[in-house]
Formats: sequence, C-alpha cells, structure tokens
Amino acid sequence: GQSLEQPSEVTAVEGAIVQINCTYQTSGFYGLSWYQQHDGGAPTFLSYNALDGLEETGRFSSFLSRSDSYGYLLLQELQMKDSASYFCAVQPSGGKLIFGQGTELSVKP
Amino acid sequence: DAMVIQNPRYQVTQFGKPVTLSCSQTLNHNVMYWYQQKSSQAPKLLFHYYDKDFNNEADTPDNFQSRRPNTSFCFLDIRSPGLGDAAMYLCATSRELNNEQFFGPGTRLTVL
Repeated sequence: GQSLEQPSEVTAVEGAIVQINCTYQTSGFYGLSWYQQHDGGAPTFLSYNALDGLEETGRFSSFLSRSDSYGYLLLQELQMKDSASYFCAVQPSGGKLIFGQGTELSVKP
Repeated sequence: DAMVIQNPRYQVTQFGKPVTLSCSQTLNHNVMYWYQQKSSQAPKLLFHYYDKDFNNEADTPDNFQSRRPNTSFCFLDIRSPGLGDAAMYLCATSRELNNEQFFGPGTRLTVL
C-alpha cells in the first residue's frame, strides 16, 4: 500500500520561511504533488516533482528525493493569506492521487 | 474562463433520500474524478472516468454511483445517503491520467 506522513500543523510568522516535510511509503509513483486548501475551499495545485531535486515557483519551492522517500514544500516570505492546509500527494498509477493527511499552516503577524 | 464547476455548492438531503451532485468542465479534459473529503481529512478518491471508461476504487461503497453522459459533465449519485456520507465532494479533471488535476469548488453535503 501507500502512505504519506506530514506534520499535522505548523505555525510561523509573517515574512518568515517555513518547510513542510512529507515522507512516503509507496512502491512506485509518477511524481509528488503539493496542493493548498483554504478552509472551506477546493485544493489548488501548487507544485509537482517528477524528478529528484528542487522546483521553484515564485515564493514556493518543492523538493523530492526518491532515494530518501522524502519531499518538502518550502514557502518563503510568508503572508497571512498563506494560512491554509497543505497536502502532499503521490500518483502511483492510473491517475489516482493519494493524499497525505495535510498540514495546517498558521501564519501569525 | 476555463474551469471546473460544481452545483450546487451546498446540498442538504434527508437520510435515505437519493441525491445527485453535478460537475461540469470547460477544459475539455479526458479524465474526471470524484473525491470525498470529510472534515479535517484528506480527499479520498471514489472513482474516475477516462473518457467513457469508468474506474471504481475498490473501497468505494455501492451506495455511490457516477454517470458521465458527455465530455463536459459528470454526476455523482448517492442512492441512499447515510449520516456518514456528510462530507465535501470534490470534482477534479485532468487532461490525461497522471497529469495535474484541477479541482472544482466542491459541494458540501449535509445529511439530516
């Protein structure tokens, strides 16, 4: 089976940098994705790593190491609007997304 | 704008009364997915369509059915909703399997 683990909650202050880790157990997958979900809203795609290494998209970066079964999402220059839940997800095959349980990020002034 | 639309955004039904949730897309994507998300939990895939091919997840209860009459529309039918089916139901699309998935705003279902 597949499982993903991420911290349940993280707190940081405005302007800071925060890293949300994701470790996984899966026999094989196409890539690691990150989604943002505000309370009551739909998940919004943030980033995707098919290969090992760092992908940068503006203030957000994501990293994958298949050999370590590990990835992270890095958020820089935190803003209040970044307060949300962040999910890592893998696609083992056939289109199915398997999500981690989500990390609730609280950004304080 | 191209998007994934779900109607209604909020749906209230009675225990055991059939309910249908609707999803439409203007992205012309081949794949449409239905996820169930309960409070403070991750979205869980119920099933997906690749074009007209239906793919059910092994642990999706028989109470949940789906229809895709054309490329643009997909419906989720809950035949006899129970209290445990109260959740947010998310529709998503992707151009192909294993591509980025675009989510609709979701329908929050309440079962009384």
